[in-house]
Amino acid sequence: SQQGEEDPQALSIQEGENATMNCSYKTSINNLQWYRQNSGRGLVHLILIRSNEREKHSGRLRVTLDTSKKSSSLLITASRAADTASYFCATARGFGNEKLTFGTGTRLTIIP
Amino acid sequence: DTAVSQTPKYLVTQMGNDKSIKCEQNLGHDTMYWYKQDSKKFLKIMFSYNNKELIINETVPNRFSPKSPDKAHLNLHINSLELGDSAVYFCASSRLSSQETQYFGPGTRLLVL
Repeated sequence: SQQGEEDPQALSIQEGENATMNCSYKTSINNLQWYRQNSGRGLVHLILIRSNEREKHSGRLRVTLDTSKKSSSLLITASRAADTASYFCATARGFGNEKLTFGTGTRLTIIP
Repeated sequence: DTAVSQTPKYLVTQMGNDKSIKCEQNLGHDTMYWYKQDSKKFLKIMFSYNNKELIINETVPNRFSPKSPDKAHLNLHINSLELGDSAVYFCASSRLSSQETQYFGPGTRLLVL
């Protein structure tokens, strides 16, 4: 099974509403990252949150991390049509060059 | 300015053929990666190189062979292509370790007929 699993798998909301996506993981981590992938494109890094941080903001994005529950959430406020994309969480366990493990993704659709 | 570039963007080929995908990064990063994304969008790492040295080698068939001539380039050669190799292959790089932010290329869409 995956280290990171996003919930929900798909989400459709009206433009202007807030979108919340969740990520759960299984092992202890060094950091957790969120990436966006537009259709037919490569992944773009959004935010990195370290294991000793609880919340981080970047523009309209807010990421929280609860290491006791092994979960993270990504909140996009005041959504726009351009936010339509797949969103992935990725976990890093912090051991040297060990791999970054990606979750299964949430497909977000913003309805104009 | 393109940070991580891949060629070709699309690759359509017959089963049994051999093909190569090239990747270059101009970010001055030490570490580069190859990922495979299947039709369900699941992203799985295949290989990682740090300063031309192989550091991650996941369970990948021997038909896949990466080559890093220098730290700015990481190529992927695939022998005897099979139908199941059809996927999108992404190259990525990070400054030092694989725990950091990774920068992805646009992907190479491989279709094996």
